[in-house]
Amino acid sequence: GQNIDQPTEMTATEGAIVQINCTYQTSGFNGLFWYQQHAGEAPTFLSYNVLDGLEEKGRFSSFLSRSKGYSYLLLKELQMKDSASYLCAVMDSNYQLIWGAGTKLIIKP
Amino acid sequence: GAVVSQHPSWVICKSGTSVKIECRSLDFQATTMFWYRQFPKQSLMLMATSNEGSKATYEQGVEKDKFLINHASLTLSTLTVTSAHPEDSSFYICSAKDVGGDNQPQHFGDGTRLSIL
Repeated sequence: GQNIDQPTEMTATEGAIVQINCTYQTSGFNGLFWYQQHAGEAPTFLSYNVLDGLEEKGRFSSFLSRSKGYSYLLLKELQMKDSASYLCAVMDSNYQLIWGAGTKLIIKP
Repeated sequence: GAVVSQHPSWVICKSGTSVKIECRSLDFQATTMFWYRQFPKQSLMLMATSNEGSKATYEQGVEKDKFLINHASLTLSTLTVTSAHPEDSSFYICSAKDVGGDNQPQHFGDGTRLSIL
């Protein structure tokens, strides 16, 4: 079966760095997406990785290792507004998105 | 760019009413749109994939006669919840993918919060 695993909840301090991990097992791979979803709102697109390595976009970076079936989202200089759920999603061989359950990130002052 | 508009954002209606939700891609064309449902504190659940000019593909367990999907143009898909009941109360979110390629990200509308009394 297809499976996406990410921690249910994480807590971090304002100004710090946090890494949210995602491991996956899917039938084929056509890229991995990270989305941010604030409570009561729809998800917003953060990043897309299809090749191994690190993609940096401002305070957010996303890493992919296809051989390990592993990705992480790195958030630097955390701000209170970063409190949200972070969803990992993998596009399989049929270009269907398989969604993780999301990681709820709590930022404390 | 890549703006998806979803309307209405909030609906409260009586049991037995049919509710229509619209999803529009404003600045791009979308051959494929997706309809999701999300219950409180749960993950996104894909209900169906809407393809322009053809029938929608429903996920297992989703009643196609209850959740009618129409994708009449490259910028508009609609979801109609027919004869809605309290158990249909949920957060419904649409997303659209640019025609630029299969691996394009999905861009989400703001969602519709549906409450059936």
